[in-house]
Amino acid sequence: DQQVKQNSPSLSVQEGRISILNCDYTNSMFDYFLWYKKYPAEGPTFLISISSIKDKNEDGRFTVFLNKSAKHLSLHIVPSQPGDSAVYFCAARPYDKVIFGPGTSLSVIP
Amino acid sequence: NAGVTQTPKFQVLKTGQSMTLQCAQDMNHNSMYWYRQDPGMGLRLIYYSASEGTTDKGEVPNGYNVSRLNKREFSLRLESAAPSQTSVYFCASNVAGDTYEQYFGPGTRLTVT
Repeated sequence: DQQVKQNSPSLSVQEGRISILNCDYTNSMFDYFLWYKKYPAEGPTFLISISSIKDKNEDGRFTVFLNKSAKHLSLHIVPSQPGDSAVYFCAARPYDKVIFGPGTSLSVIP
Repeated sequence: NAGVTQTPKFQVLKTGQSMTLQCAQDMNHNSMYWYRQDPGMGLRLIYYSASEGTTDKGEVPNGYNVSRLNKREFSLRLESAAPSQTSVYFCASNVAGDTYEQYFGPGTRLTVT
């Protein structure tokens, strides 16, 4: 049973608009959440993270929101650019490991 | 500073053959990891090494062995490859700390026929 879920396998957004990628988790013991971005034929790269004691973290065009009561987090990209087209993985940390979701493929259309 | 490097990039094996995937990092990181990525499954942890001299099983360790050769190198061995091990394998490393931001290698695409 997946502990980190990304229920949208893919998402298409027009350039300049907002992209919202969603993630749900089941384990209330997770204390840190991360988003990774992956281009084809490359390894994932770290994008942004948030501690469970916060509800928002912002880094340039990227903002992550955490709703602990709903066990839900989201990644907002504003404005979306064609270079943002990639697979985005949500990840969560329990203790000394990281658990990844299945990923959402984002396409930003020029 | 090359970051995390993996060899080979591609490999085709026949069922029952063995091979070792190599990983090295030059960032002086303590912790190293091996993941496999399969469609719709995300990245699943195979084995990890929190420090030189220690290794622990992850989510999907069956059919694999690892060696933490030194602080820089962490290898993954398939003793008798099976078609179910067809996957893309990623090595990662990080400084042991609070954020667990991992640095990934470019991956090895393995096909077992």
